[in-house]
Amino acid sequence: AQRVTQPEKLLSVFKGAPVELKCNYSYSGSPELFWYVQYSRQRLQLLLRHISRESIKGFTADLNKGETSFHLKKPFAQEEDSAMYYCAPYSGAGSYQLTFGKGTKLSVIP
Amino acid sequence: IAGITQAPTSQILAAGRRMTLRCTQDMRHNAMYWYRQDLGLGLRLIHYSNTAGTTGKGEVPDGYSVSRANTDDFPLTLASAVPSQTSVYFCASSSGQPNTEAFFGQGTRLTVV
Repeated sequence: AQRVTQPEKLLSVFKGAPVELKCNYSYSGSPELFWYVQYSRQRLQLLLRHISRESIKGFTADLNKGETSFHLKKPFAQEEDSAMYYCAPYSGAGSYQLTFGKGTKLSVIP
Repeated sequence: IAGITQAPTSQILAAGRRMTLRCTQDMRHNAMYWYRQDLGLGLRLIHYSNTAGTTGKGEVPDGYSVSRANTDDFPLTLASAVPSQTSVYFCASSSGQPNTEAFFGQGTRLTVV
């Protein structure tokens, strides 16, 4: 089964500073990884998936197989980025379990 | 509006009482999930279902049961609530295919007293 570790419960950065939310994974097989975000009083929603190699709201995440990491990055933090961020592995081999890391709360200081 | 709906939004429940949290989706998704969200512990998977008629245990299944009689509904039952089940509960669904997005309900805030 795939597992992820998000080592930081809370990350505070100043507006305009770079952001990196860490996610390390362990897996059996090929990893399928996502980042989900939960803004205050809103439901969780997908932010990024590793296979798409996309940039959403200025965030990017690169799968580094050598370091088994999928860190979420943004060059310049904005106040509206303050939220809970969850790294999520997906075990799709016939047992569709979507599990989450413990999450990192990002606080962007004006 | 297509999506996933949970009910109730919040509930205060006496310990020992039985409670069913409802979850309905209209996206014809095969996979559905129940999570609980607790401060410092993140989202933990309680039960899941890959398709109608099948269910599986997640990380923290004790004290909870689920059923999947049809594609749309995935109720979560607490047979005899205890204070440690005080949490925010989220239901989610996905197509179950690789690399596809999961959609979440708005959550149910449950307080067991």
